Amino acid sequence: GAVVSQHPSRVICKSGTSVKIECRSLDFQATTMFWYRQFPKKSLMLMATSNEGSKATYEQGVEKDKFLINHASLTLSTLTVTSAHPEDSSFYICSARAGSSDTQYFGPGTRLTVL
Amino acid sequence: GQNIDQPTEMTATEGAIVQINCTYQTSGFNGLFWYQQHAGEAPTFLSYNVLDGLEEKGRFSSFLSRSKGYSYLLLKELQMKDSASYLCAAPLGGATNKLIFGTGTLLAVQP
Repeated sequence: GAVVSQHPSRVICKSGTSVKIECRSLDFQATTMFWYRQFPKKSLMLMATSNEGSKATYEQGVEKDKFLINHASLTLSTLTVTSAHPEDSSFYICSARAGSSDTQYFGPGTRLTVL
Repeated sequence: GQNIDQPTEMTATEGAIVQINCTYQTSGFNGLFWYQQHAGEAPTFLSYNVLDGLEEKGRFSSFLSRSKGYSYLLLKELQMKDSASYLCAAPLGGATNKLIFGTGTLLAVQP
């Protein structure tokens, strides 16, 4: 149980385009999902917290208009990187938490490369 | 403030035992997590401690001392596949209970 999927696993796009990343909880309902980014050899940096049916809460320094988050259902959250630039190239990871559980389960990550 | 410290890198020999330490400073205590992350992959859950003491799961054990703000992950009978980053993380509580992560300890297991 507690499987989280992400799609796509790898994406290469041109500068200025938008990219959507999906995060799905496959066998449980995720009331809360989290989006992280990770640079090489660095730890995870929380970008935003996504609650089903409400607006995402962004961490300080994360541009909400650039990183659009939609948590439309209890099993799906999406992150859209708008007008991507090379500095947005990173490993993006989502996690999901079921109800009042403390444990976060992570998706396999999405490697974004912006040319 | 919130802070988690762990060593950046460690090296150990196949078949040996290694202990990865983590100290934390958080406002309030809501447990402590350990995750394993192989290069280019997402973290996988290893353990969650809320009470003091040692919890054993096969070759991996995790220890917690709340009074000392200290935890360690103990890996026994090391295998080459254990080469990975080990992340210590603390939930901050509240409605979202988001996690704060340490920098991770990159463990290299040598033959």
